[in-house]
Amino acid sequence: QITLKESGPTLVKPTQTLTLTCTFSGFSLSTSGVGVGWIRQPPGKALEWLALIYWDDDKRYSPSLKSRLTITKDTSKNQVVLTMTNMDPVDTATYYCAHRGIAASDAFDIWGRGTMVTVSS
Amino acid sequence: QSVLTQPPSVSGAPGQRVTISCTGSSSNIGAGYDVHWYQQLPGTAPKLLIYGNSNRPSGVPDRFSGSKSGTSASLAITGLQAEDEADYYCQSYDTSLSGSVVFGGGTELTVL
Repeated sequence: QITLKESGPTLVKPTQTLTLTCTFSGFSLSTSGVGVGWIRQPPGKALEWLALIYWDDDKRYSPSLKSRLTITKDTSKNQVVLTMTNMDPVDTATYYCAHRGIAASDAFDIWGRGTMVTVSS
Repeated sequence: QSVLTQPPSVSGAPGQRVTISCTGSSSNIGAGYDVHWYQQLPGTAPKLLIYGNSNRPSGVPDRFSGSKSGTSASLAITGLQAEDEADYYCQSYDTSLSGSVVFGGGTELTVL
């Protein structure tokens, strides 16, 4: 059974750096084809993809946020970490991590419950 | 503006059939990338509903079906039920954005 759980601060100040951790179980991020992605959703708005890291350490970023994002993995700890610099109130959102499954044609087949991050001074 | 275009809202009465469109371009859906659909019930995380254009994960009722043609895809829901009231998102990949993941803007389904 695959599970993912996001963790990190619930409140950050403008200009600070946000660090979020996705801790997962039920799969290995060293298995060929597997990936973990980050997606966010501002209150009342649509899903927005942020970043994706693959089993071979290939990394992809949203073009509009690429300069602010870094995604890394720690296979031994079953964790994926996302950092976002220079946080702004518009970055207030629920942040989700999700498993990208090859058995599901590369869809995000399992999602975490999300963590709400508020950016405010 | 989302790379994939969905209608903001659709509605239907219980028992009816509704469809939700997802329109892309030659750099995403038209380039051969699969389309996936997610259902997001109020206050919950998105859930995979359809993957690989037309496949249902285990546990998803066969009232839900997906299709893809050219640069567009569609999600159809038959026998509409009150519990289907949710937001629905399509998702694919885009070659012009270095293989980036792209989502539609979401469609709110109201069961009348």
